[in-house]
Amino acid sequence: GDSVTQMEGPVTLSEEAFLTINCTYTATGYPSLFWYVQYPGEGLQLLLKATKADDKGSNKGFEATYRKETTSFHLEKGSVQVSDSAVYFCALTPSGTGKLIFGQGTTLQVKP
Amino acid sequence: NAGVMQNPRHLVRRRGQEARLRCSPMKGHSHVYWYRQLPEEGLKFMVYLQKENIIDESGMPKERFSAEFPKEGPSILRIQQVVRGDSAAYFCASSLGAQKQETQYFGPGTRLLVL
Repeated sequence: GDSVTQMEGPVTLSEEAFLTINCTYTATGYPSLFWYVQYPGEGLQLLLKATKADDKGSNKGFEATYRKETTSFHLEKGSVQVSDSAVYFCALTPSGTGKLIFGQGTTLQVKP
Repeated sequence: NAGVMQNPRHLVRRRGQEARLRCSPMKGHSHVYWYRQLPEEGLKFMVYLQKENIIDESGMPKERFSAEFPKEGPSILRIQQVVRGDSAAYFCASSLGAQKQETQYFGPGTRLLVL
């Protein structure tokens, strides 16, 4: 079945460091891909999305490119801030359905 | 424009009691999804509903769990005879349409604790 695999956390970085969180997926057809962020005690917020191969999603300095050849959707940010500390979830919606399939989440902790 | 509303935010139940979780979608959204987040895990899809219809319940446990989305009022996720393993955060999301590229907007969640 369709699935999403994220790199294990936690990821600990110093402020202004470069961030990469790896995400790979397995899916039939052409899924849409998403990154959601969850702050402590809150629900999920959409960070960015891409709906077809080679699309780049971007928001608040975060970027991810839909790579069909490597079945990946890695999240990157050039310079992280303490306020970026949160749990990041990679997710997909399979073709023909609207339900989200999530990875296990990656905790990011940014130290001043 | 209010976002997705869920209540209660926290719910404590003793084993064997019933839990009712409510979700009001964003204005204009007629598609509702329920997800469960167990401690230290990602979110797992439970059920997808449109007004008065269950479209996909492939993630719902076969017993004790039910969901509805009536013509009027919020969507309800009902757990009968709760057990400790039901302790989790339950999130509701809504969307404008059901296509795979549609964005789902999440509520703040209901954190259920079963004693």
